[in-house]
Amino acid sequence: QVQLQESGPGLVKPSETLSLTCTVSGGSVGSDTYYWSWIRQPPGKGLEWIGYIYYSGSTNYNPSLKSRLTMSVDTSKNQFSLKLSSVTAADTAVYYCAREIFFYNSGRRWFDPWGQGTLVTVSS
Amino acid sequence: SYDLTQPPSVSVSPGQTASITCFGDKLGDKYASWYQQKPGQSPVVVIHQDNKRPSGIPERFSGSNSGNTATLTISGTQTMDEADYYCQAWDSNTAVFGGGTKLTVL
Repeated sequence: QVQLQESGPGLVKPSETLSLTCTVSGGSVGSDTYYWSWIRQPPGKGLEWIGYIYYSGSTNYNPSLKSRLTMSVDTSKNQFSLKLSSVTAADTAVYYCAREIFFYNSGRRWFDPWGQGTLVTVSS
Repeated sequence: SYDLTQPPSVSVSPGQTASITCFGDKLGDKYASWYQQKPGQSPVVVIHQDNKRPSGIPERFSGSNSGNTATLTISGTQTMDEADYYCQAWDSNTAVFGGGTKLTVL
């Protein structure tokens, strides 16, 4: 079955760029039937959708984060990545990658599975 | 922006039925999903497309969505069902999550 694993630094300094990678096993990021998403959860708080990338490289970002976000996909490594610039303490969170299953133009879409998550702390 | 509202907490006795609601404007016109998150674990989808159970999710989990409210129902609740539950829907190609409901089984 498909498994996702996040990786990247656990500590980032304020004003710098947070960079994470999600490695997919048991499936292909080159598939045209899924989006590849990032979701975060500040400690003790709820879930916030960050955005997704398609195998073609097309993206859709949360408007609240759009100006600081860059996502990319590497089909040769079966990975997709997230870069969030100019981070502050408010960006401290567990970051999850997830596969989004969708039925084109129907509104039927959900996240399954999720990675185990990685805690990123923004602090000097 | 679109908002989904959940009660912060719900309590239920073992073996009883738990209902967790999710309120959003014309939510019934969208598809709702529900995610279970146990402490220290990543979320797992328990209901998608309003009322579809993924394989491996017990039959005691069911969902409905109509009007402005989606509901997750857990029949014959077990202690292992104690967790945080999040509803989720899409609005203008943006995923929105509810604030989460802590289900206590006692």
